[in-house]
Amino acid sequence: SYVLTQPPSVSVAPGQTARIPCGGDNLASKSVNWYQQKADQAPVLVKWDDPVRPSGIPERFSGSNSGITATLTITRVDAGDEADYYCQVWDGDRGHVVFGGGTKLTVL
Amino acid sequence: EVQLVESGGGLAPPGRSLRLSCATSGFSFKEYAMHWVRLVPGKDLEWVSSVSWNTGRTFYAESVKGRFSVSIDNAKTSLYLQMNSLRVEDSGFYYCAKDSHVDPVVGGATLEYWGQGTLVTVSS
Repeated sequence: SYVLTQPPSVSVAPGQTARIPCGGDNLASKSVNWYQQKADQAPVLVKWDDPVRPSGIPERFSGSNSGITATLTITRVDAGDEADYYCQVWDGDRGHVVFGGGTKLTVL
Repeated sequence: EVQLVESGGGLAPPGRSLRLSCATSGFSFKEYAMHWVRLVPGKDLEWVSSVSWNTGRTFYAESVKGRFSVSIDNAKTSLYLQMNSLRVEDSGFYYCAKDSHVDPVVGGATLEYWGQGTLVTVSS
């Protein structure tokens, strides 16, 4: 089965830039999406494979895909960005939605 | 405004059944794929099932295949998840989500909008 690998946690100081990686085979051929889930809330799409950001998502959230690793970048991080972040792709070979294991972002 | 409201969660003993519902509004129901995703407290997001209105295609995670069934009611613009032979490990928050594509086979899967979830607890 297709696997997406994320580090369990990333820490960053307020005002700095957070980079959350997501590794998977042949990622260049896939559209990678990113979701933010805060405590006791539903997940929110923060980055999709489209130049236009999802509605309501600030410019501080951006993404890249090198083919081996996709990265969610959050600039000027503040306490409100503390959450679990999940990457996600569609595994067309198996007809499955695949989520990464999630990364907990801590703002120091 | 897109709205998704789940219901039907609750406490069930192992081996029993539950039926989850997702009432939708604010978009053309037949033009988008829909998904069920669960979150086990302390663990990760886990995809459960997807359905394409347009093609009728359904998809299931291996952990629920043969036990869960996804369906739709076009008249009520609602999505359902019939969960049979429940296991303790099926416990968690269940979310329905609207895709930005009509069919994941064609455009991939992007879970654009999510409901607030309904809690399922499987315990004796």
